[in-house]
Amino acid sequence: AQSVTQLDSQVPVFEEAPVELRCNYSSSVSVYLFWYVQYPNQGLQLLLKYLSGSTLVKGINGFEAEFNKSQTSFHLRKPSVHISDTAEYFCAVIRLTGTASKLTFGTGTRLQVTL
Amino acid sequence: GAVVSQHPSWVICKSGTSVKIECRSLDFQATTMFWYRQFPKQSLMLMATSNEGSKATYEQGVEKDKFLINHASLTLSTLTVTSAHPEDSSFYICSAREPLTSGRVFPYEQYFGPGTRLTVT
Repeated sequence: AQSVTQLDSQVPVFEEAPVELRCNYSSSVSVYLFWYVQYPNQGLQLLLKYLSGSTLVKGINGFEAEFNKSQTSFHLRKPSVHISDTAEYFCAVIRLTGTASKLTFGTGTRLQVTL
Repeated sequence: GAVVSQHPSWVICKSGTSVKIECRSLDFQATTMFWYRQFPKQSLMLMATSNEGSKATYEQGVEKDKFLINHASLTLSTLTVTSAHPEDSSFYICSAREPLTSGRVFPYEQYFGPGTRLTVT
């Protein structure tokens, strides 16, 4: 079985402050990890992904994430947030079964950036 | 590249009527498409996986006769909510995946549409 846990449902932060959104996964097989952002009434936009190789992954809008296999984590970070980063963030993992693939999402973290 | 569109972006229908939502891959062929449902302030839940030319595979608890999925071409999948009721009101999001033979290093990535807001009155 595979699951994704986002420990924080909401993260309030002041503009220009750093932020970390936490994500832990459980899986007995190789994983492929993703972070998506969802702005109100919109679909999902891919921020970044980890498939293999370097454990530090850089994405769009200044976000980065680090894959930590020993801690089964894939936390998202940004050194300085903007008001426009206010959105819902979803961590997700793809599980492969033969030629089928299933994307499992975490419950989401609401990032609220204020002045 | 890898753009997915959905139509309509929002729809209001009366209880008891049916509504069709389209999902199109605009610049690639999608042998597999996925339909998700998202309730307010909640995560996305996979409803079904559709493969071009074959019947969709529904997740446990999703009514096949309620949510009809058709994937008749490599660029179009449709979700029809039949005899809609207020509890079917939700945000429906589709995603599409390229063929596994596309040549991409990781062909399992899904590309998401912008979503369709369905309100049943």
